[in-house]
Amino acid sequence: DSGVTQTPKHLITATGQRVTLRCSPRSGDLSVYWYQQSLDQGLQFLIQYYNGEERAKGNILERFSAQQFPDLHSELNLSSLELGDSALYFCASSVGLAGAGRDTQYFGPGTRLTVL
Amino acid sequence: GENVEQHPSTLSVQEGDSAVIKCTYSDSASNYFPWYKQELGKGPQLIIDIRSNVGEKKDQRIAVTLNKTAKHFSLHITETQPEDSAVYFCAVPRGYSSASKIIFGSGTRLSIRP
Repeated sequence: DSGVTQTPKHLITATGQRVTLRCSPRSGDLSVYWYQQSLDQGLQFLIQYYNGEERAKGNILERFSAQQFPDLHSELNLSSLELGDSALYFCASSVGLAGAGRDTQYFGPGTRLTVL
Repeated sequence: GENVEQHPSTLSVQEGDSAVIKCTYSDSASNYFPWYKQELGKGPQLIIDIRSNVGEKKDQRIAVTLNKTAKHFSLHITETQPEDSAVYFCAVPRGYSSASKIIFGSGTRLSIRP
């Protein structure tokens, strides 16, 4: 158990809908990262927040947005869903800015999104 | 930008044999190289990492070697066991602290044959 929690574990919805994925980082971690993993694909970085502020953006679609709240939990909002958005969505957390090589990223168990 | 190549994409070895997975990167400023293991239905978990001031690090049956000159690092698993079957990802962080993120390799699916 990494200490990172994600809800829900599974989500099934229809095209055109909007969903919200939730992540609670490990206690004490200030950074939250969101990744998308499609079938047989690697991890695609979406966005990073550090202590409530957006710090880095990857290939995140305009239909997707995220935020980190004062209690440091984060939500990823996916709207106007398309079939191709079906994937595993992972949240990770770290104490600081893991990209600098100072901190380790710890991943949650993921949310499996299925768009029908 | 940073480019990370991971090989092979799939690997099947006999139980008890060794497995080696290699990653190459392009940014010479990178100085931290973690490896993650992802079991079916779970998130990636850090299994070993190495910093650029050392060339090799071992943890029981797992080792990572780093060649900074050639810009590649490898994961070595010895005496493989069935529970080693998983997808393994290398990762390379950007070398600066602002707008930082980690670039993951494309993954290697390791299967251990009984």
